[in-house]
Amino acid sequence: GDSVTQMEGPVTLSEEAFLTINCTYTATGYPSLFWYVQYPGEGLQLLLKATKADDKGSNKGFEATYRKETTSFHLEKGSVQVSDSAVYFCALSDVRTGNQFYFGTGTSLTVIP
Amino acid sequence: DAGITQSPRHKVTETGTPVTLRCHQTENHRYMYWYRQDPGHGLRLIHYSYGVKDTDKGEVSDGYSVSRSKTEDFLLTLESATSSQTSVYFCAIRTGPGETQYFGPGTRLLVL
Repeated sequence: GDSVTQMEGPVTLSEEAFLTINCTYTATGYPSLFWYVQYPGEGLQLLLKATKADDKGSNKGFEATYRKETTSFHLEKGSVQVSDSAVYFCALSDVRTGNQFYFGTGTSLTVIP
Repeated sequence: DAGITQSPRHKVTETGTPVTLRCHQTENHRYMYWYRQDPGHGLRLIHYSYGVKDTDKGEVSDGYSVSRSKTEDFLLTLESATSSQTSVYFCAIRTGPGETQYFGPGTRLLVL
């Protein structure tokens, strides 16, 4: 079945450091891929998405490219800020296999000044 | 803002008591979902609905039931709460097949 695996945390970075959070997926079809962010005490918010191979999603300085050949959707940001401290979730959804989303376990990021 | 509210936002209850959580949306989207979030597990799907009176089980449905008698409301019921159901519960809506999910603010439930 469909599934998502993302790198374990927690991740601690200094302000202005480069961020990569790895995400790989398993899917029988051609899923859409998503990154969500969860700030403390809040629900999940969509950060970015990509709906087909080689698409790049981007938002707030974050980017992720849908790589079908490596079944990956790694999240990157060139220079993190303290305000980026949150939990990040990778997810996939394939309309051809149902209406469900499949989430990774989340990666906690802390950015220190 | 996808117009999703959850109530209550916090609840403390005792083992064996029934609990109902409510999810309300203002935009009449067809698909609604209930998840639980626990450390080390990410989000796990409990039940989902694809229309009024149309619901289906998710990954962790045991001990939970749902009802959707109106498009805007999706209720999650714990018939007899157990300590293992202590969790944060999130409702989500989806605007259509293949589209993004949008989440409510969550309900923090503690079962003593």
